[in-house]
Amino acid sequence: SAVISQKPSRDICQRGTSLTIQCQVDSQVTMMFWYRQQPGQSLTLIATANQGSEATYESGFVIDKFPISRPNLTFSTLTVSNMSPEDSSIYLCSVGPGGPPDTQYFGPGTRLTVL
Amino acid sequence: AQRVTQPEKLLSVFKGAPVELKCNYSYSGSPELFWYVQYSRQRLQLLLRHISRESIKGFTADLNKGETSFHLKKPFAQEEDSAMYYCALSGSGTYKYIFGTGTRLKVLA
Repeated sequence: SAVISQKPSRDICQRGTSLTIQCQVDSQVTMMFWYRQQPGQSLTLIATANQGSEATYESGFVIDKFPISRPNLTFSTLTVSNMSPEDSSIYLCSVGPGGPPDTQYFGPGTRLTVL
Repeated sequence: AQRVTQPEKLLSVFKGAPVELKCNYSYSGSPELFWYVQYSRQRLQLLLRHISRESIKGFTADLNKGETSFHLKKPFAQEEDSAMYYCALSGSGTYKYIFGTGTRLKVLA
């Protein structure tokens, strides 16, 4: 199974600043995804990180707010730009396939608090 | 609208009692259904998927297309089953998951 690490594990940031979250996988993977989990809510897919091309964003998420990079098959970053308190969430990276087809392995998450 | 509904935020049962975590979905097409689990201080991990029709840790889930449900069941709950359980669906081959809001299961001694 793939081992996924995320940095930082948590952070407290000021309004108006940006934070870049890193996701590192110990093996090459086809698919990488970024999710957001707001307090008390479900996981919501932000975007699919495509290697060598722009990320594919879901409805409600835009590149200017959540720029994503994926320079190779084992690494991706998500930046949360111009943060506001509403961005306080857990951000998760996942990769697929996670063993069985259509399944995913999840990272430990980054807990972000915006003051 | 595509949606996964888990009506219970918290479910408490006694050890040895049967458990049923409910999941209903709305999806135009043929979805793949999954249950993911998150134990305390651990990351989200796959518990089971409907297509494999297997039993993992004593849990089973049957896809009922007529009722659009994928309830998770276990005949005898154990304390180590206490965790957060998420139901999720994806379009076949898409990897795009839609998650439910999750149900926290507490198994009491």
